Amino acid sequence: LAKTTQPISMDSYEGQEVNITCSHNNIATNDYITWYQQFPSQGPRFIIQGYKTKVTNEVASLFIPADRKSSTLSLPRVSLSDTAVYYCLVGEGWNTGGFKTIFGAGTRLFVKA
Amino acid sequence: KAGVTQTPRYLIKTRGQQVTLSCSPISGHRSVSWYQQTPGQGLQFLFEYFSETQRNKGNFPGRFSGRQFSNSRSEMNVSTLELGDSALYLCASSSTRDTHNEQFFGPGTRLTVL
Repeated sequence: LAKTTQPISMDSYEGQEVNITCSHNNIATNDYITWYQQFPSQGPRFIIQGYKTKVTNEVASLFIPADRKSSTLSLPRVSLSDTAVYYCLVGEGWNTGGFKTIFGAGTRLFVKA
Repeated sequence: KAGVTQTPRYLIKTRGQQVTLSCSPISGHRSVSWYQQTPGQGLQFLFEYFSETQRNKGNFPGRFSGRQFSNSRSEMNVSTLELGDSALYLCASSSTRDTHNEQFFGPGTRLTVL
């Protein structure tokens, strides 16, 4: 499984766009990039997943350059409730014989009023 | 559709005891994974079960074990508890119809070892 590197923490203000970048230099051809969000004392929650270029859903966008060695999670117009830890994961899925999900340290985002 | 449920939510044990935690996955999900989360080590993968078979295992001692039943419900057991086993234990389930690793997490069981 590819190792990921993210900033330990980030601060932002309400209404701003937040971009969190994750480095994964050893990403394999079959690997997808997945981001999770975790609030204190809760389990992580899936945010978005992508393989290449750009993916957008109702809560975030994921930008992946052509070499796929990094990815950027973009949260538009954050609010106080977006204060959480964000994890970037890289790996294959169940159909390759099971998966062993490795969470890195994550990025602690703190949104201020 | 109901989410992943874990029981109990909170547990207090003493050193040397053993504990069993239970996880009920989302209906239709056949893959269940377990994680340990502590402030110092973060989220660490314990093991994954699929169709009652352990498919993957993390780097934990043999005191940590698990099983999965035919209805996909899973249990994990920790024997001879140590103080360092105090943690939030999270269970996650996945659908085999999802190609990649989107996992749905339960609320966790907070284990305190005294």
